Amino acid sequence: GAVVSQHPSWVICKSGTSVKIECRSLDFQATTMFWYRQFPKQSLMLMATSNEGSKATYEQGVEKDKFLINHASLTLSTLTVTSAHPEDSSFYICSARRGLLMNTEAFFGQGTRLTVV
Amino acid sequence: KQEVTQIPAALSVPEGENLVLNCSFTDSAIYNLQWFRQDPGKGLTSLLLIQSSQREQTSGRLNASLDKSSGRSTLYIAASQPGDSATYLCAVYGRLGSSNTGKLIFGQGTTLQVKP
Repeated sequence: GAVVSQHPSWVICKSGTSVKIECRSLDFQATTMFWYRQFPKQSLMLMATSNEGSKATYEQGVEKDKFLINHASLTLSTLTVTSAHPEDSSFYICSARRGLLMNTEAFFGQGTRLTVV
Repeated sequence: KQEVTQIPAALSVPEGENLVLNCSFTDSAIYNLQWFRQDPGKGLTSLLLIQSSQREQTSGRLNASLDKSSGRSTLYIAASQPGDSATYLCAVYGRLGSSNTGKLIFGQGTTLQVKP
């Protein structure tokens, strides 16, 4: 399978600071990447769809000014949590699709555990 | 709006048992369905991907079936082992017209414990 790498795998930050999470497709080009978050003991919820060279599409209820997404190249998407607060503490996971064929699957990064103190 | 439900939420079995995890979805217009495994505090490991035209997929001791008309999928684990202990998530790929949106809608997961 294809490889998607996330960095960092965990981060602790102070309330009010911003944190950037990177998602890279290592061995394929991904025109579309997806960002999910997972609260403890809950399932994954899609936050936004990141499109290379254009604005991200956010799911209902997700603040686009708080969760800034940049997809500047075909192998890199970044999620910046701005002015982080303790309620933003969560597990963030990205996924990427290889190509646009109808039956291509999504490959997931290993996730980033964000703790805001 | 598509909703994915997994039953049971938790399951504890002795080693060696065969078991079935259930997944149901409300909108049968899905593209693919995928089963994942998640260990505590870790990311997702893909187990099986069933494409919309398929009815089942097998990998080792795992077998997943898909019945789109009834909105159901099952994951069968044969001869369970303590190393199978994890949370199992099913997810459906959203469909928009004839396109696979690539977005995944996840169930809540079934947490499995296999006792030695």
